[in-house]
Amino acid sequence: GQQVMQIPQYQHVQEGEDFTTYCNSSTTLSNIQWYKQRPGGHPVFLIQLVKSGEVKKQKRLTFQFGEAKKNSSLHITATQTTDVGTYFCAGSQAGTALIFGKGTTLSVSS
Amino acid sequence: NAGVTQTPKFQVLKTGQSMTLQCAQDMNHNSMYWYRQDPGMGLRLIYYSASEGTTDKGEVPNGYNVSRLNKREFSLRLESAAPSQTSVYFCASSTLGQGDTEAFFGQGTRLTVV
Repeated sequence: GQQVMQIPQYQHVQEGEDFTTYCNSSTTLSNIQWYKQRPGGHPVFLIQLVKSGEVKKQKRLTFQFGEAKKNSSLHITATQTTDVGTYFCAGSQAGTALIFGKGTTLSVSS
Repeated sequence: NAGVTQTPKFQVLKTGQSMTLQCAQDMNHNSMYWYRQDPGMGLRLIYYSASEGTTDKGEVPNGYNVSRLNKREFSLRLESAAPSQTSVYFCASSTLGQGDTEAFFGQGTRLTVV
């Protein structure tokens, strides 16, 4: 079945450093979504990418979808303590359920 | 507008007991999902329902049953709880499109089986 792999599992950075998490799917996806989960909370939607090679930005966050629609990345520029949490990618094929990666847990020290 | 509501928020069960986790959404979404979250394992899909009247197994369905009672409600039942089912359970819903669109999650149910 469809698998979504995400690396790294954990990342610790100093405030102000950049951070990137990578997501790879075993199958071609119709779209990929990114979620953030704060400690003790529930996943919250950040963005959806649909087109091959798509790049979207949200302030300090940059999201990319690969040309083959099998991989994606989330890059945070100049991390802040408010960025702490676990970032999940989730992919689906047309009409199927979202399959989540295992997530990257980001910690930030000031 | 409450979004996705899960009950209960916390539950402790003894091995062999049964229980039903309730989930309701008020966003008129077609698709609903149950995930479990364990440390280091991410969110694993237990069952999902693409539309009212249909349910499908996900990655880890063993030991669980589901009911899509109507468009709003999707329940998850543990017939005979086991310690391996200790986890945080999340219900989610989304609209059905070409690939699912944004999923909205409930607050989660923290279940401990002793």
